[in-house]
Amino acid sequence: SSELTQDPAVSVALGQTVRITCQGDSLRSYYASWYQQKPGQAPVLVIYGKNNRPSGIPDRFSGSSSGNTASLTITGAQAEDEADYYCNSRDSSGNLWVFGGGTKLTVL
Amino acid sequence: EVQLVESGGGLVKPGGSLRLSCAASGFTFSSYSMNWVRQAPGKGLEWVSSISSSSSYIYYADSVKGRFTISRDNAKNSLYLQMNSLRAEDTAVYYCARWWYQQGADAFDIWGQGTMVTVSS
Repeated sequence: SSELTQDPAVSVALGQTVRITCQGDSLRSYYASWYQQKPGQAPVLVIYGKNNRPSGIPDRFSGSSSGNTASLTITGAQAEDEADYYCNSRDSSGNLWVFGGGTKLTVL
Repeated sequence: EVQLVESGGGLVKPGGSLRLSCAASGFTFSSYSMNWVRQAPGKGLEWVSSISSSSSYIYYADSVKGRFTISRDNAKNSLYLQMNSLRAEDTAVYYCARWWYQQGADAFDIWGQGTMVTVSS
C-alpha cells in the first residue's frame, strides 16, 4: 500500500487564503478526495475528483493536483472552517484506500 | 433523507468478537459499494474494508485482514462488520461510508455518525 502525507497543522487569518497539501505516489494515478471533520462529528466530503464540490459545500473550497501532490484551498477562510482535514485516495494497487494523517486547520 | 446509522459497538475484552451493523436509508443501497472506516481516539481516519454492491469484490486493510469480515444484505439495506480476535489497537469509532463514483471521480460521499468499539480487559 502507499501513504499520503499531510502537514499536521496549518493556521490562517480570518478571511485569508490557505492551502492544505497531500503528497503521495498514488496521486500521480488517482484523484484525491478531501474531508472536513469537526470535533465529535463524522467526516464530511468537501472536494472530490479534479475539483468538484458536493451540494452544500461553499465555493470557497477548491481542489487542485500536480504530480504527486493534491491541494485543498480555502479562499477567504471563515471561523466555521476550523476543523481537521483529511485527504484520501486509492493506493497503488487501485483496490485499497488510504487516508492522509490529517491537517488541523486553525482560523485566527 | 440519505442516511447511514451504525450500531453494535461496545466494550469487549481482548480476543473477543463484536458485530457492527450499518442501516442505510434514503437511497438504493444495492447499487453502491460500501466501506468501513475507523478512527482511534485522537487519531486520524483509517480505511478498514470495502464491499462491492453485489458482494463480488471485498478488500481489507492489512491491519484487519484475517480477523474482520465485511458483508451486506441488500434485502435488508444493511452492511455488517464481523470483528474477531480483537486487539487493544482496534479501539476506535467505526464509521460506515458509501462509495460514490461519477465521471472518473470517486469518494466516500455519505458517512454514518459512527459507533464506538473499545477493546479492554
